Amino acid sequence: DAKTTQPPSMDCAEGRAANLPCNHSTISGNEYVYWYRQIHSQGPQYIIHGLKNNETNEMASLIITEDRKSSTLILPHATLRDTAVYYCIVRSYGGSQGNLIFGKGTKLSVKP
Amino acid sequence: DAGVTQSPTHLIKTRGQQVTLRCSPKSGHDTVSWYQQALGQGPQFIFQYYEEEERQRGNFPDRFSGHQFPNYSSELNVNALLLGDSALYLCASSPVSGGRAKNIQYFGAGTRLSVL
Repeated sequence: DAKTTQPPSMDCAEGRAANLPCNHSTISGNEYVYWYRQIHSQGPQYIIHGLKNNETNEMASLIITEDRKSSTLILPHATLRDTAVYYCIVRSYGGSQGNLIFGKGTKLSVKP
Repeated sequence: DAGVTQSPTHLIKTRGQQVTLRCSPKSGHDTVSWYQQALGQGPQFIFQYYEEEERQRGNFPDRFSGHQFPNYSSELNVNALLLGDSALYLCASSPVSGGRAKNIQYFGAGTRLSVL
């Protein structure tokens, strides 16, 4: 089973920031938080990952709480093309490269 | 630089038949994972190949088998197809080494299999 809990759906206005929450209260010390998204009929796309520090790349920012029990993915200026299902995944790093366990994700709808 | 490529994009089979799906990993990647995604669900891990051997396996029956070739490409075989095998089959590749890039799986567009 997935180790994360996400809201099933969210709406966001185009041009505004989209903040997608994820709860992972049972995360262990060697587990990272990964975010992927899947646009309809395409394969999942990697967005960002982090351990405990906040991370930012050209796509998004990842904010992880100090106790690491939850995180937020931030799309700073959402566009219609960001409409997708967003998956938050907890996974150990290194070792045998464990598989990704996907839950049902959050369906983000960006509206004009 | 080509990403992960899968073939065919769509496939229609009948119950009891066998199917082979193919995957070419991203350049520089040597690990290939396969996932099954039923309609409305998140992808489920089938198995992972590294150095031409199955390294990890999810909760799938033996009807699902795979192979990895010396050039790192991979095949997924499904025997005795059932209606419930209808799904999007995704291939993902990742590098074994590479610092922060290690362990990031990059997905292909998938093969849509319909079993009638």
